Amino acid sequence: QVQLQESGPGLVKPSETLSLTCTVSGGSISSYYWSWIRQPPGKGLEWIGYIYYSGSTNYNPSLKSRVTISVDTSKNQFSLKLSSVTAADTAVYYCARDRRYCSGGSCYSVYGMDVWGQGTTVTVSS
Amino acid sequence: DIQMTQSPSSLSASVGDRVTITCRASQSISSYLNWYQQKPGKAPKLLIYAASSLQSGVPSRFSGSGSGTDFTLTISSLQPEDFATYYCQQSYSTLYTFGPGTKVDIK
Repeated sequence: QVQLQESGPGLVKPSETLSLTCTVSGGSISSYYWSWIRQPPGKGLEWIGYIYYSGSTNYNPSLKSRVTISVDTSKNQFSLKLSSVTAADTAVYYCARDRRYCSGGSCYSVYGMDVWGQGTTVTVSS
Repeated sequence: DIQMTQSPSSLSASVGDRVTITCRASQSISSYLNWYQQKPGKAPKLLIYAASSLQSGVPSRFSGSGSGTDFTLTISSLQPEDFATYYCQQSYSTLYTFGPGTKVDIK
């Protein structure tokens, strides 16, 4: 059964770059879309962006200028970089598998985000 | 952006109660609507996808309905392990958005 595990520094200084990695185990990263989602303390969920195993990406416009998501299929990992962080970026960061129905060269996000990592807390503070 | 709203924002219920949570989209999203359950300190868990399809392993007391802009999540007989926060999420747009959540606690 597929499992996801986030890893990375728990403390990042303001103006620096937050870097997290999600390792996929129990299955292949290939043929799936993969998302990052975050949750500030006591608040709701915010989708950050997704990447297809081929490397194509889509980002939340509110974060697009600061976000980069990449994939390393040889390591079965995908990563998140968020630059110029502020205290507002303090959150629990989750990675998740975004299952889709694909047909005729198009993919439709109908199956939801069905596998999630346990989440990692990132605090932005000097 | 497609805005998602949920009602109520919180509710108190007893074990065995029937619970209904409503989610509304700011524009039609067909059936591209998913429901998640989140317990404190845990990752969200997918319950329902495509508005009404039960995720594998999820108890049948959970059900979803709706299409277009209005959706509901129903728990037919609330169990102790169901006390949690529930989020809807639309995947119609390439910009995914979540509802603000509905917290279900013990009466």
